[in-house]
Amino acid sequence: GENVEQHPSTLSVQEGDSAVIKCTYSDSASNYFPWYKQELGKGPQLIIDIRSNVGEKKDQRIAVTLNKTAKHFSLHITETQPEDSAVYFCAASAISGANNLFFGTGTRLTVIP
Amino acid sequence: DTGVSQDPRHKITKRGQNVTFRCDPISEHNRLYWYRQTLGQGPEFLTYFQNEAQLEKSRLLSDRFSAERPKGSFSTLEIQRTEQGDSAMYLCASTRDAWGAFFGQGTRLTVV
Repeated sequence: GENVEQHPSTLSVQEGDSAVIKCTYSDSASNYFPWYKQELGKGPQLIIDIRSNVGEKKDQRIAVTLNKTAKHFSLHITETQPEDSAVYFCAASAISGANNLFFGTGTRLTVIP
Repeated sequence: DTGVSQDPRHKITKRGQNVTFRCDPISEHNRLYWYRQTLGQGPEFLTYFQNEAQLEKSRLLSDRFSAERPKGSFSTLEIQRTEQGDSAMYLCASTRDAWGAFFGQGTRLTVV
């Protein structure tokens, strides 16, 4: 099955700086890559996703890049704010359906004011 | 709030007791998923419903676990004879489309 690795496990940045979280996946058939943000005591919230026919996708301060050849994808957050502090999870899926989502182990991002 | 709703938010139970959690998905979503999340890990898939039909169960879903979605709307997840290893956050998610999922806030179970 799919194996998703995520780095780093913790990340601290100064407010206003950029943050980058990287994930690698093992199944070359994976073609859907969502990112989730999980705040303390809450469920994961989908913040951005990308499909394999696209190399990059941007939504305001958040962007995701995908390198299918290398089987890795990254989340980029620019101009970080304290409210960006949370745990971020990447996931990968080769088949449609959330039952086929494989999650990384998460990155705890702390934005220092 | 029209998101996925889970009840209770927290449950503390003694080992050996049965517990039941409820999930109310977003109203027009026909697909409903249960996940388990342990500390420091990402969510792990447990089971999946499309309407009232339970279409898939993962190997994580031991025979002490049972899930239902009797009318294709809300779902329940029951754990019988709870063990300390069952302590986790139980997440419900729903979606209308084939991709992605909208998660509820979860039920945190502590077995003492």
